[in-house]
Amino acid sequence: RKEVEQDPGPFNVPEGATVAFNCTYSNSASQSFFWYRQDCRKEPKLLMSVYSSGNEDGRFTAQLNRASQYISLLIRDSKLSDSATYLCVGDTGNQFYFGTGTSLTVIP
Amino acid sequence: EAQVTQNPRYLITVTGKKLTVTCSQNMNHEYMSWYRQDPGLGLRQIYYSMNVEVTDKGDVPEGYKVSRKEKRNFPLILESPSPNQTSLYFCASSRGTSYNEQFFGPGTRLTVL
Repeated sequence: RKEVEQDPGPFNVPEGATVAFNCTYSNSASQSFFWYRQDCRKEPKLLMSVYSSGNEDGRFTAQLNRASQYISLLIRDSKLSDSATYLCVGDTGNQFYFGTGTSLTVIP
Repeated sequence: EAQVTQNPRYLITVTGKKLTVTCSQNMNHEYMSWYRQDPGLGLRQIYYSMNVEVTDKGDVPEGYKVSRKEKRNFPLILESPSPNQTSLYFCASSRGTSYNEQFFGPGTRLTVL
């Protein structure tokens, strides 16, 4: 079983919509989690980190549920510029594990 | 400017011809790692280094070598490249693992014929 799993999508949503991505992890010892954004095979860039129950930054909210071993990313009021692949990442102390990514396209 | 640099950015080579992809960071980060990214498989860690002279295998180390002689540099060596090593490679650095953001280089697109 993969350490981190996420629905690859694609998610195609209209501008202004709210969209949510989920990610599950298998290692209960994982301490911290991150959402990275990746544009068209460029380098991933940090979007948000989530260590405790949740984190909010403008239109983006990340939540962590340790009991069920999943994290989520909520994007409100989607913009065209939000179109990208979103990568869920967990750590196990020595290593980082990436999900395969969820593709989002925001449609005008 | 704080950054991670990789060279070359693009490389086409032939089977068996040794190559090195360089990686350098200017943020004084302790932790560095190499990933490969393939369609449908996401980013997979090849090797990582917790500090100078300390390296360890990631999930897909076969066919690769690394060294960490200085804190800032972490080259990836393919002694005898094969076509299944055709991929997009990213180097990354961070202050540590848990609770630390990774900073990625721009990527190296490698094709092995």
